[in-house]
Amino acid sequence: EDQVTQSPEALRLQEGESSSLNCSYTVSGLRGLFWYRQDPGKGPEFLFTLYSAGEEKEKERLKATLTKKESFLHITAPKPEDSATYLCAVRDAGGTSYGKLTFGQGTILTVHP
Amino acid sequence: GAVVSQHPSRVICKSGTSVKIECRSLDFQATTMFWYRQFPKKSLMLMATSNEGSKATYEQGVEKDKFLINHASLTLSTLTVTSAHPEDSSFYICSARSGTGRNTQYFGPGTRLTVL
Repeated sequence: EDQVTQSPEALRLQEGESSSLNCSYTVSGLRGLFWYRQDPGKGPEFLFTLYSAGEEKEKERLKATLTKKESFLHITAPKPEDSATYLCAVRDAGGTSYGKLTFGQGTILTVHP
Repeated sequence: GAVVSQHPSRVICKSGTSVKIECRSLDFQATTMFWYRQFPKKSLMLMATSNEGSKATYEQGVEKDKFLINHASLTLSTLTVTSAHPEDSSFYICSARSGTGRNTQYFGPGTRLTVL
């Protein structure tokens, strides 16, 4: 069974204070690791997909990296508008899963001005 | 990114009534749609997976007669909560994915259901 564990559960940063969120995973055959951002009362917003160890992707102040066991979401010089819950999910190569995702519990990020 | 809409965004109903939630992919054809439920401050729990033109696949513990899913076309899936009870109150989110392989799953904005 696929497992995804995110840490920390909550992270409070000052504006401009860079940090990283962790996503550890166990999957039989990785067919993608996904990062989403979710604001309160909204659906998740797609950020990145990573497929193989060593892959990195960037978008504004966010950078996602992937190893064989975990992924990091690095936030550089965060701003208050980066405050949200960040969700990590994996898709495995299972035959009849139709590409369903297994989500971690999320990290609640709060950036103070 | 692709756009997925849900309707209604918020619904309040009386116990015992049925509620239908629509999920539409607006700018792509969704061969697969997923329905999730999310409790406060919790992550997404997959309820079922639906493929266009075939019966939905429900996750363990999800009552298929309670949560009826219809994926009538490549752009529309509906979730009907039948004989709703207060414990069905939750945030329901759909997602859609086109084709297979490396295609991303895009989420709708969610529907807040409150059963009185």
